[in-house]
Parts: sequence; C-alpha cells; structure tokens
Amino acid sequence: DAKTTQPPSMDCAEGRAANLPCNHSTISGNEYVYWYRQIHSQGPQYIIHGLKNNETNEMASLIITEDRKSSTLILPHATLRDTAVYYCIVRADLNSGYSTLTFGKGTMLLVSP
Amino acid sequence: GAVVSQHPSRVICKSGTSVKIECRSLDFQATTMFWYRQFPKQSLMLMATSNEGSKATYEQGVEKDKFLINHASLTLSTLTVASAHPEDSSFYICSAPQGDYRGTQYFGPGTRLLVL
Repeated sequence: DAKTTQPPSMDCAEGRAANLPCNHSTISGNEYVYWYRQIHSQGPQYIIHGLKNNETNEMASLIITEDRKSSTLILPHATLRDTAVYYCIVRADLNSGYSTLTFGKGTMLLVSP
Repeated sequence: GAVVSQHPSRVICKSGTSVKIECRSLDFQATTMFWYRQFPKQSLMLMATSNEGSKATYEQGVEKDKFLINHASLTLSTLTVASAHPEDSSFYICSAPQGDYRGTQYFGPGTRLLVL
C-alpha cells in the first residue's frame, strides 16, 4: 500500500473549517484514499473515501488533487466533539484480494472553544 | 453507517487466565472480520483476519496459539487471549467490511484489556 504523510497535530477554532492535509505521492491509479478518525479510547470511525473525484457526505468533504498525490479532508464547521486523531489511509486495489487497512500515526486535531 | 459491537468493553483479569472478546456485526453479515491491537500512544496494528468457515490469517509476529480466533457465524467473531500476561494488556478493536471483503470497514468500540 502507498505510504501517507500527515502532520502530527493541528489546531482549529470551534465553528471554523478544519482542513487536514495528507500526502500520498506514491499512490497507484487503483488505490482509494480513506479517512477515519479515532476519538480517545474509542474504535476508529469511518469518515469518507474517494478515488479521483472530490467527495462529500454529512460528515466531511474530501478533496483529491488532480495528480492524486495529496488530499485534504475538510470538516466545514468543527465542533469540540471533532477533537480526535484523523487517519488518512491508502487502500490497496479492492479487486486484488487485499482489504486490510494500514494505520499510520495520523493527525491529532484539537478543536478549541 | 454499519454498526459493529464488541463485548466486553473492558476486562481486568489475573495473569494466566484466558479472556474472550466478542465482535458482532449488528445490521449486516460479515464473512471477514479483522482484529487490531493498539498500545498506548500508538496506532492500530492488524493482528489477524478472521474468516467465516475457515482458519484465521495471522500477521507476522502474532502467535496464533496465543490469540485464538473463531468466526462462528456471519455476524460473530471471537478473539480469545490464552493465558494472558501483563504484556497482553492493550486495546483490542475489531472491524468488519460491509458487503464483501472489499467493502468499507466499520470498527467496533474496542475492548480494554488489563492483565494484572
């Protein structure tokens, strides 16, 4: 699986947009970008995933650059409950038989009042 | 999203005892489930892949005789930590892909194991 690079920590003011970057310069053409987050002492929570196009759901938006070497997760209006470690994961080709997720260190997002 | 549960949420046991952790997919069937372990201030590490109707697949360095996995049905996988020792104390988390093995993985809330 392609390796990802994320900043170790970020701060965001409550109510503002949180933009979490992820670099995945060695991503292959058929690899998806997944985002999960883990609130302290809980299991990871699925946020969003995408291949090429930008994606949006009720939790967040995912912006993938045209060359797919990086992406940004956007939480449009961060709340205190969004404080968590955010993991950007590149997942191997879904048709290859591989479906495991490899977690890096992620970004610790701290949302402050 | 899909719901995955784990039981118990936390367990404290004496060294030498065996501990069983259950992972259930509540609103979908899962022929494959995954077990992870997370030590304090570290990321999740995949331990094994649980397959319904066949043997589990273990990651390198994970003792299959120590961490016994049984995928009894399409909604239940169990992880038994045999003869637990203090170094087995950790946060154990399961996940299940919705749909087939290629589906988005949903995680359980985790089980905190403390071995005294």
